[in-house]
Amino acid sequence: EIVLTQSPGTLSLSPGERATLSCRASQSVSSTYLAWYQQKPGQAPRLLMYGASSRATGIPDRFSGSGSGTDFTLTISRLEPEDFAVYYCQQYGSSLYTFGQGTKLEIK
Amino acid sequence: QMQLVQSGAEVKKPGASVRVSCKASGFTFTDYFIHWVRQAPGQGLEWMGWVNPNSGGSHFPQKFQGRVTMIRDTFINTAYLELTGLKSDDTAVYYCAREDATKDAFDIWGRGTMVTVSS
Repeated sequence: EIVLTQSPGTLSLSPGERATLSCRASQSVSSTYLAWYQQKPGQAPRLLMYGASSRATGIPDRFSGSGSGTDFTLTISRLEPEDFAVYYCQQYGSSLYTFGQGTKLEIK
Repeated sequence: QMQLVQSGAEVKKPGASVRVSCKASGFTFTDYFIHWVRQAPGQGLEWMGWVNPNSGGSHFPQKFQGRVTMIRDTFINTAYLELTGLKSDDTAVYYCAREDATKDAFDIWGRGTMVTVSS
């Protein structure tokens, strides 16, 4: 099973700042199968990025994804108040899906 | 609009079984795999497996072998998760989610069903 480790666990930033979230895999992951989700309290997760760098429908272009192999990054260029949430990366490999443990993005 | 509507909260005793439903609307149910993901209170997301509404086939990780059944009823566009031998650490919100095969990601999620296991 591929383990995804997200860092930092908590990121404290102010609106307007840039956020960089990391997702590291225990073994190589195909970029095709790397996705990011956003979850707000009391809500279901929402798909943000798929294929490591493609934005899902309706996701603003301040969100971007990059990476390959074992290191992937989600970047939010200029934080808006609604971006403060928990973010999870997800991978598919060897017939199994796994999620990272999440990064909480909080208002500083 | 495309949505997944889940059944209501459940409270069960240890050792009991629970069945959670997930009704699809706004899209062709048999064209998309349905996945189940759970989230214990204050914890992260855990993938539990998928059901193929077209064939009825399912797949889940070793951890859930023998305890989980995933089925579907194509006449009412509904997927079901059954979990047996409930333990306190099965207390969680259970989500169903649609897999978009063109994206290899879960693009539509239900609102979740809270399952509480308590004596």
